[in-house]
Amino acid sequence: QLLESGGDLVQPGGSLRLSCAASGFTFSSSTMSWVRQAPGKGLEWVSSIGVGLYYADSVKGRFTISRDNSENTLSLQLTSLRAEDTAIYYCVKGAHYFDFWGQGTLVTVSS
Amino acid sequence: IVMTQSPATLSLSPGERATLSCRASQTVSSNLAWYQQRPGQAPRLLIYDASTRATGIPARFSGSGSGTEFTLTISSLQSEDFAVYYCQQHNYWPRTFGQGTKVEIK
Repeated sequence: QLLESGGDLVQPGGSLRLSCAASGFTFSSSTMSWVRQAPGKGLEWVSSIGVGLYYADSVKGRFTISRDNSENTLSLQLTSLRAEDTAIYYCVKGAHYFDFWGQGTLVTVSS
Repeated sequence: IVMTQSPATLSLSPGERATLSCRASQTVSSNLAWYQQRPGQAPRLLIYDASTRATGIPARFSGSGSGTEFTLTISSLQSEDFAVYYCQQHNYWPRTFGQGTKVEIK
């Protein structure tokens, strides 16, 4: 199971930290990613960890992915938020293909 | 890598065969996945490595292709199959998705 939290309404330029609690598999040996979906739009890969660190160009320098293997938790720190970052953020298992998805947490960037 | 799916919308009746296409702007070998997203739900992995069904996926779903041209086939549409389908390449960074094909009831 993957359970995201931390989504909220935030003003442009603001920051937010998303968390994902993992259970039911060996988190410490798993690659993990974040994928987002703007309202009514398609899927956009954001970041992956476990095969190195990778970021989409659209978030590089603003978002930071991290993990705590002792707590089975994946995190995404979002800074300098923009309106175009408004989306459901999914925590997903995998970094090549994504074989299990959480239900997502909504981030809304608006004044 | 730009992934282009066609058609944008496929209108079919239950029991019919669905054929969805995905094209990559350059070769991605067999590193291609397919996902299903039902309304209000998270996506679900159907196929990876172009033709390997994920755990628990019914045999009516099949994937084929390599290089730049890929196909997802649903042999006989069930009511629960009406959804949006996305392809995604996992050969290069950044990982990229197609824009989606909506399979709707005719």
